[in-house]
Amino acid sequence: EDKVVQSPLSLVVHEGDTVTLNCSYEVTNFRSLLWYKQEKKAPTFLFMLTSSGIEKKSGRLSSILDKKELSSILNITATQTGDSAIYLCAVANAGGTSYGKLTFGQGTILTVHP
Amino acid sequence: DAGVIQSPRHEVTEMGQEVTLRCKPISGHDYLFWYRQTMMRGLELLIYFNNNVPIDDSGMPEDRFSAKMPNASFSTLKIQPSEPRDSAVYFCASSFWETINEQFFGPGTRLTVL
Repeated sequence: EDKVVQSPLSLVVHEGDTVTLNCSYEVTNFRSLLWYKQEKKAPTFLFMLTSSGIEKKSGRLSSILDKKELSSILNITATQTGDSAIYLCAVANAGGTSYGKLTFGQGTILTVHP
Repeated sequence: DAGVIQSPRHEVTEMGQEVTLRCKPISGHDYLFWYRQTMMRGLELLIYFNNNVPIDDSGMPEDRFSAKMPNASFSTLKIQPSEPRDSAVYFCASSFWETINEQFFGPGTRLTVL
């Protein structure tokens, strides 16, 4: 069974701080790793990392995939109160009937204080 | 595009009653996913469809749960009979085949079973 573990489970910082969120995974047939941001409602897509694209960056957010260590990190620099959210990591399975199936971690609750 | 549409947004019912959740995916998307989110178990995939055909329902907790997709623009998730432990937020998501893991989530239905 595929498994995703995120750490820390929660994090409280002040505006301007830099944070690093961690994700480790076990998957039978790796296709990709994804990061989602969930504010009050539905998760929204941030990044997808694959074997051919192990590093992504968008503004103050960046993510790296380490296929050897079966892990990924999500970095947020110069945090803002609007970054407060749950950050979800998920892995996608490439195999057979599991194609397209995402397994999510528990999420990291990030709180950014002014 | 209106995005993924779910109804109702909130549902409060009594134990033993039938509950039907509805979803309209983004037009043109090939895949539709049903998820459940709780504090204890996080975001879990229940079932997903490809071109209206169920592909993997291994996440459906028990026979009380059923899902249908009669056409490309509509899906239902039914719980009969409902139990208090079914209380959760239920999300519907959809995606294109080519970008299957970049799933677009609806706003969710918050279900409370008393």
